[in-house]
Amino acid sequence: EPEVTQTPSHQVTQMGQEVILRCVPISNHLYFYWYRQILGQKVEFLVSFYNNEISEKSEIFDDQFSVERPDGSNFTLKIRSTKLEDSAMYFCASRQGFTEAFFGQGTRLTVV
Amino acid sequence: AQSVTQPDIHITVSEGASLELRCNYSYGATPYLFWYVQSPGQGLQLLLKYFSGDTLVQGIKGFEAEFKRSQSSFNLRKPSVHWSDAAEYFCAVAGGNFGNEKLTFGTGTRLTIIP
Repeated sequence: EPEVTQTPSHQVTQMGQEVILRCVPISNHLYFYWYRQILGQKVEFLVSFYNNEISEKSEIFDDQFSVERPDGSNFTLKIRSTKLEDSAMYFCASRQGFTEAFFGQGTRLTVV
Repeated sequence: AQSVTQPDIHITVSEGASLELRCNYSYGATPYLFWYVQSPGQGLQLLLKYFSGDTLVQGIKGFEAEFKRSQSSFNLRKPSVHWSDAAEYFCAVAGGNFGNEKLTFGTGTRLTIIP
């Protein structure tokens, strides 16, 4: 069964460093999303991406964040200068036009 | 703005007993409703979804949910829980065409199963 794949599963980074979280969505999907879940809290929407551009972003998704679909298969989330409060589980999701979103297993980001 | 309320933060149920997890949503148009389950350290797995049609939807692992528009609810049920059902359960709502807008999640209900 096709699945959304995220790498790495866990990343530790120093405050102020740039990180790139990678996702390979399901191949025929059209809509792509990033969500995050701070430990013990609910899952929050960050950004949606369709037709090679951002379709919606939340207040959390400030200038420190960016997304890219560089080669038609990968979908990346970049955090330019990480802060302690960026520590969270980051989930990538993708969907076809008329189905539910499928989530990856997540990348746990720890900023120290 | 859309929102989801899961009033029960933590529920404890005996193995073999029935289960109902509550979910209330707020959305101005036709909602697309979902229940996801998250086991510790794992990702989000879809249990079931409501897009349209029959208001009682069946999902995986023996779960079902009923959409009640008049009560703005989408409660999750299972007639007999198993120890493996222990997990965090999230209700979510989306809008747009076939729910292609962002998912808004509730705060989750943690389910503990006792022998």
